[in-house]
Amino acid sequence: EVQLVQSGAEVKKPGESLKISCKGSGYSFTSYWIGWVRQMPGKGLEWMGIIYPGDSDTRYSPSFQGQVTISADKSISTAYLQWSSLKASDTAMYYCVRYSAGWIDYWGQGTLVTVSS
Amino acid sequence: EIVLTQSPATLSLSPGERATLSCRASQSVSSYLAWYQQKPGQAPRLLIYDASNRATGIPARFSGSGSGTDFTLTISSLEPEDFAVYYCQQRSNWPPVITFGQGTRLEIK
Repeated sequence: EVQLVQSGAEVKKPGESLKISCKGSGYSFTSYWIGWVRQMPGKGLEWMGIIYPGDSDTRYSPSFQGQVTISADKSISTAYLQWSSLKASDTAMYYCVRYSAGWIDYWGQGTLVTVSS
Repeated sequence: EIVLTQSPATLSLSPGERATLSCRASQSVSSYLAWYQQKPGQAPRLLIYDASNRATGIPARFSGSGSGTDFTLTISSLEPEDFAVYYCQQRSNWPPVITFGQGTRLEIK
């Protein structure tokens, strides 16, 4: 069974750094693009970026380029999303997703990030 | 950048009725369009891909149609569990680019 299991909810202060994770199982982790989708409170879905764990090829949405870093460690089948300096506007649910031919066929359970002073 | 515009923003219907949701692309995406359903407190799930193919386990009352710039998701007879938010997504420049529509909320009348 394919699973994407994300790390737990985080509460941070503005300016702090954060790295959240997503562990894939039940499939060949290096053979599918993995990505991150943001959903701000009460809002729609936003594509942030993707990584191909097989060769670490990483692409970003222009809206998120320079704002976050996406990485992966294929030895432990885990993808990451990190911020160097959080802002209140980063408060959102973040979903880890698996892409199959450009479609999202599996979603993680989501990681809620709250940034507040 | 391809922009997807969904209409209506909110659709109010009763169980048993037929629902028709629209997604319009700012330029042609061929048949590279998907639909997702999101219920409160849950992650979205894939309903339709490549404009008209149902994903695994999706009931036959859900169908998709269209190509180019105009797409439709139809739910033939609404069940209580179908009231949710629906998003379209295109992948015409995959990888890496995908975009989502802003969503249509399907609510009980």
